[in-house]
Amino acid sequence: AQKVTQAQTEISVVEKEDVTLDCVYETRDTTYYLFWYKQPPSGELVFLIRRNSFDEQNEISGRYSWNFQKSTSSFNFTITASQVVDSAVYFCALSEAAGANSKLTFGKGITLSVRP
Amino acid sequence: DGGITQSPKYLFRKEGQNVTLSCEQNLNHDAMYWYRQDPGQGLRLIYYSQIVNDFQKGDIAEGYSVSREKKESFPLTVTSAQKNPTAFYLCASSKSLWEDLNTEAFFGQGTRLTVV
Repeated sequence: AQKVTQAQTEISVVEKEDVTLDCVYETRDTTYYLFWYKQPPSGELVFLIRRNSFDEQNEISGRYSWNFQKSTSSFNFTITASQVVDSAVYFCALSEAAGANSKLTFGKGITLSVRP
Repeated sequence: DGGITQSPKYLFRKEGQNVTLSCEQNLNHDAMYWYRQDPGQGLRLIYYSQIVNDFQKGDIAEGYSVSREKKESFPLTVTSAQKNPTAFYLCASSKSLWEDLNTEAFFGQGTRLTVV
């Protein structure tokens, strides 16, 4: 069965600090996708990134970067020079097994607070 | 604009009453999902559907029912059998995971249900 673990529950940093959000996953499949979503106070989840199991290249998008390591089943998310607008709940998710039983499984989320 | 619409945003019901949450999408997506969000629990999958007239139980389906009579609609009924119905409910859709895992889910703004 697929599982996503986000061990950190709440993180608080001061603006301009770097912060890394951890994500560890479990799956029996060799083909799967990993995702990160952001949930601001408004409640709607916003898609940030998708990574497939065959692509271990790290990705950078502005202040955001992602480190995917299959050897440790981790897909960590780093925000550089954090800003107050980064305050939100961040979810890591996994999809596997294309077919009738395919579904998205989410971790419990990490609440990030960035203080001015 | 294309997107997912959940209504209403806030819903109050008396204990023992069934209530139906609406979810409509105009993204032409095959797959639709219902998640429940409680503080500290993250997103838990209630039901999902990969195709019209078919749906699967998620991790916490007890006390809920769904239908998928149209591609664009996936209503969720919270029945009186659900022991703790007060929660934030999120609907999502994606291109079919049956054929392609390389697709992110798009979320509605959520419905906050309070049962008194």
